[in-house]
Amino acid sequence: RKEVEQDPGPFNVPEGATVAFNCTYSNSASQSFFWYRQDCRKEPKLLMSVYSSGNEDGRFTAQLNRASQYISLLIRDSKLSDSATYLCVAHTGTASKLTFGTGTRLQVTL
Amino acid sequence: DVKVTQSSRYLVKRTGEKVFLECVQDMDHENMFWYRQDPGLGLRLIYFSYDVKMKEKGDIPEGYSVSREKKERFSLILESASTNQTSMYLCASSFDRGAYNEQFFGPGTRLTVL
Repeated sequence: RKEVEQDPGPFNVPEGATVAFNCTYSNSASQSFFWYRQDCRKEPKLLMSVYSSGNEDGRFTAQLNRASQYISLLIRDSKLSDSATYLCVAHTGTASKLTFGTGTRLQVTL
Repeated sequence: DVKVTQSSRYLVKRTGEKVFLECVQDMDHENMFWYRQDPGLGLRLIYFSYDVKMKEKGDIPEGYSVSREKKERFSLILESASTNQTSMYLCASSFDRGAYNEQFFGPGTRLTVL
């Protein structure tokens, strides 16, 4: 079983739609979590950190449920420019090592 | 603005060749990482380093070695390239700040081994 699991998608949604991605992690010792965004043929970049209280950044909301060991990302009012692969990431242990999920691909269409 | 650079965007090598991939970061980060990214497998950690001359094996170190002689530079070495090492290689760096440790990535090197 992978440490961080995501539905690969693709999620095809129209502009303006709300879309949610879930991610599960298997190591209960994981300490912190992130969502990274990766555009086609580009490097991953941090989208947002995920706090246990939940956090919001504009149209993006991230939630963490430690009891069920899942992380979610909600995107409201989707834009064409949101089309990308979203990587769920867990930090476990020391030495700043991150474990990446395989990513969920989002395609926003007109 | 954090910048992580990699020596090549595209590289083609032959089986058995020794291959060097170079990564340089300009933000005085303590930690540096090498990943490979393959379709359906995501990013997998090959090696990382948390200080000069220090290295730790990641999840898939077989067939690779690394070198970190200076803080800003982290090299990945394929001693004898094989076709199953054809992949996208991504370098990353981060501060060592405990739980909060955003990694900044370079643009990647697409390596093809023939």
